[in-house]
Amino acid sequence: GEDVEQSLFLSVREGDSSVINCTYTDSSSTYLYWYKQEPGAGLQLLTYIFSNMDMKQDQRLTVLLNKKDKHLSLRIADTQTGDSAIYFCAESRGSYIPTFGRGTSLIVHP
Amino acid sequence: DAGVIQSPRHEVTEMGQEVTLRCKPISGHDYLFWYRQTMMRGLELLIYFNNNVPIDDSGMPEDRFSAKMPNASFSTLKIQPSEPRDSAVYFCASRLTISYNEQFFGPGTRLTVL
Repeated sequence: GEDVEQSLFLSVREGDSSVINCTYTDSSSTYLYWYKQEPGAGLQLLTYIFSNMDMKQDQRLTVLLNKKDKHLSLRIADTQTGDSAIYFCAESRGSYIPTFGRGTSLIVHP
Repeated sequence: DAGVIQSPRHEVTEMGQEVTLRCKPISGHDYLFWYRQTMMRGLELLIYFNNNVPIDDSGMPEDRFSAKMPNASFSTLKIQPSEPRDSAVYFCASRLTISYNEQFFGPGTRLTVL
């Protein structure tokens, strides 16, 4: 199986919360990341969490880490049409080089 | 800073031709990465450089692919000869230091090999 797995699609209504989930395999992961890719653009770091934390909040974004289950989630509150993008989960270990998941396409409809 | 700059943004070529993709990293960044993105395989790390020296090229798919970084402000990824299965979006990214957590990605080059 892949090192980092995500579901491929998520569709939500504008104003609702979105939750994008990710699982990873390596318990020695030190950092876990969420990147956003808008159409025709490169990836942009949204947020990251150190493995000894279980939650991080940044405005509308909440990252939850369950290290026991190797599960990471990104919650976007009050989702807007501008949040439509592909969201990549990634993890890194001692080398600090991230391994990316395949990305989850978030579709926000009115 | 203008961010990571890649050229060309789109490239269409015929099978067997040589293709050269270019990247200018953010000034002062020590690390440069080349990635390939496809629907089938997602985002793959091809090679990365530290201070212009290739550190890990284990992701380069085969000998048809080569990458160079002649100086701190320029890198190339060359495919010779190109094949239709090389069609993908190729991203360059740079990073200040290895322990700095953010990688800055360029806009990508969409390569189509006919």
